[in-house]
Amino acid sequence: SQTIHQWPATLVQPVGSPLSLECTVEGTSNPNLYWYRQAAGRGLQLLFYSVGIGQISSEVPQNLSASRPQDRQFILSSKKLLLSDSGFYLCAWSSGQGLSSGANVLTFGAGSRLTVL
Amino acid sequence: AQTVTQSQPEMSVQEAETVTLSCTYDTSENNYYLFWYKQPPSRQMILVIRQEAYKQQNATENRFSVNFQKAAKSFSLKISDSQLGDTAMYFCAFMKPNTGTASKLTFGTGTRLQVTL
Repeated sequence: SQTIHQWPATLVQPVGSPLSLECTVEGTSNPNLYWYRQAAGRGLQLLFYSVGIGQISSEVPQNLSASRPQDRQFILSSKKLLLSDSGFYLCAWSSGQGLSSGANVLTFGAGSRLTVL
Repeated sequence: AQTVTQSQPEMSVQEAETVTLSCTYDTSENNYYLFWYKQPPSRQMILVIRQEAYKQQNATENRFSVNFQKAAKSFSLKISDSQLGDTAMYFCAFMKPNTGTASKLTFGTGTRLQVTL
């Protein structure tokens, strides 16, 4: 079965420091990978998605970047954190196999809570 | 662009009763998918139920069912025999079909459901 791991679970960082959140998926190949952010009391906003190694699409302009160095690894980064980067970050995956009954379901990781002070 | 609206920020229901959460969406697409996700206090996003727009039959999953009204662009979630474990934030989400690219979800702002004794 497929599993998704996300770490760290909690992170407190000072303004101006770098960031690296990691996400890995097991039990599948060529997944589509996503990073979402959930601000306090709000819904989820798609930040980045990737359909393959080295292929990154950004949905919103921001202080963050994403990379996919391996097929099942997705990394969210920042060189210098801002206060507004605080939030709950969720990684997710879906099948990259095209249209099928299960291809469109996103499965989420447990999330990473980032507090920038 | 698609939008998803959840007009009930908070709801409360007694254990064993039935509750309905509302969701409306706006799209010019004819074929798409709709989802309800649950986010309990653990913050893990869990898929509750999925509806394909080309299917007229409403989806059901045990105690969870939807009322999908395509013409009205409405997608409500009914929870029957509510249990304390149903206490969570519930998100309605919209997705265009996966046509070889990533399956991007657009989320509503959520409804916080409290199940009481």
